[in-house]
Amino acid sequence: QVQLVESGGGVVQPGRSLRLSCAASGFPFSNFGMHWVRQAPGKGPEWVAAISFDGTNKYYVDSVKGRFTISRDSSKNTLYLQMNSLRVEETAVYYCAKATRTGIETDYWGQGTLVTVSS
Amino acid sequence: QTVVTQEPSLTVSPGGTVTLTCASTTGAVTSGHYPNWVQQKPGQAPRPLIYATNNKHSWTPARFSGSLLGDKAALTLSGVQPEDEADYYCQLYFGGSQLSWVFGGGTKLTVL
Repeated sequence: QVQLVESGGGVVQPGRSLRLSCAASGFPFSNFGMHWVRQAPGKGPEWVAAISFDGTNKYYVDSVKGRFTISRDSSKNTLYLQMNSLRVEETAVYYCAKATRTGIETDYWGQGTLVTVSS
Repeated sequence: QTVVTQEPSLTVSPGGTVTLTCASTTGAVTSGHYPNWVQQKPGQAPRPLIYATNNKHSWTPARFSGSLLGDKAALTLSGVQPEDEADYYCQLYFGGSQLSWVFGGGTKLTVL
């Protein structure tokens, strides 16, 4: 069955960096696009970034452009999110999600990893 | 900045029918926005229910259906069950040169 397991969250000071990972299993990882979505405490989800099945196309929400980088390693079946210059307001649970064959919708989500940005 | 709006809260009786809607500040919601609906219960990750306007995932109960209603996307629950009490979020896709996906603020559905 499809499994997505995020890791790498923790407490980080404003302005510092963090790299999240998402280990995927149960499906041919290199055939599907992937997304990162975050959810601040008590708020709704916010789409953060997406990457095509082959890694050639990457998309970001405006607020993270130039600071966050989505990437993937198909040899390791792993999705990454490099987050630089983190802000307090980016405290959230970060979820990775598998895209459907169209690459537009998502079907499976992980359980998330908590990132706390605080001094 | 694109804003996607939903009813903040709705209440429905068990066995009843309720419709949640999803609107966009950019204009009418169409099938080209590939409207998605996800359900989230307390302490759980969001779970997709409906994709591309009216398509169900394999785990989506038959009582959930998606549609376009006027200028909005809609999620209808028919024969509501107590376990349907949850937050529901719509998500719209915006294509073009800079692809983006935008979630609505969510509807808290109470079954009472």
